[in-house]
Amino acid sequence: EVQLVESGGGLVQPGGSLRLSCAASGFTFSSYWMSWVRQAPGKGLEWVANIKQDGSEYYVDSVKGRFTISRDNAKNSLHLQLNSLRAEDTAVYYCARRRGAVAGNNWFDSWGQGTLVTVSA
Amino acid sequence: QSVLTQPPSVSGAPGQRVTISCTGSSSNIGAGCDVHWYQQFPGTAPKLLIYGNSNRPSGVPDRFSGSKSGTSASLAISGLQAEDEADYYCQSCDSSLSGSVFGGGTKLTVL
Repeated sequence: EVQLVESGGGLVQPGGSLRLSCAASGFTFSSYWMSWVRQAPGKGLEWVANIKQDGSEYYVDSVKGRFTISRDNAKNSLHLQLNSLRAEDTAVYYCARRRGAVAGNNWFDSWGQGTLVTVSA
Repeated sequence: QSVLTQPPSVSGAPGQRVTISCTGSSSNIGAGCDVHWYQQFPGTAPKLLIYGNSNRPSGVPDRFSGSKSGTSASLAISGLQAEDEADYYCQSCDSSLSGSVFGGGTKLTVL
């Protein structure tokens, strides 16, 4: 059974930093693209970042230069470093496994339970 | 403002059929990108409902079906049940093909 368990969320001041982690199990982690998707309170889903098996990274424009996605295939773990945080980054951050072999035709077939990041003074 | 447009809410009586639309553009759905659908209950993570426009993952009832035409897609739920009351989101590619975009979500109410 695929399991994704996020951790690392919390309350941080504007301009601060936080590192989120996602522990993966039940599948060959190194064989899959992985992603972070967030959801602001009472709002919809927003894709944040992808990382390919080889470590290539892709980001939504609003987080470029501030967030960094990374992976440790030896430890089956995914990370998201959040820097220069803003109030609008407040959200539940979900770790998700990305599927689909063709660029542009990709979906998220497994999700973690999410970790809440609150940016407030 | 989400890149993909969904109605904020839809409703139907038990046993009825409802559809949820998802409208995109030539930068995503109209560019040939597939559409995928997720179901989310309050306080829980989204769950994949339909992938590749019309495919159901194992365990998803065949009451749920998806279709795509041009720059739009639809999710249909037939034989509506009380437990279908949830938020539904569509998802497709972004213009770079390396990222994803979501619809704003549709709240389904079972009357």
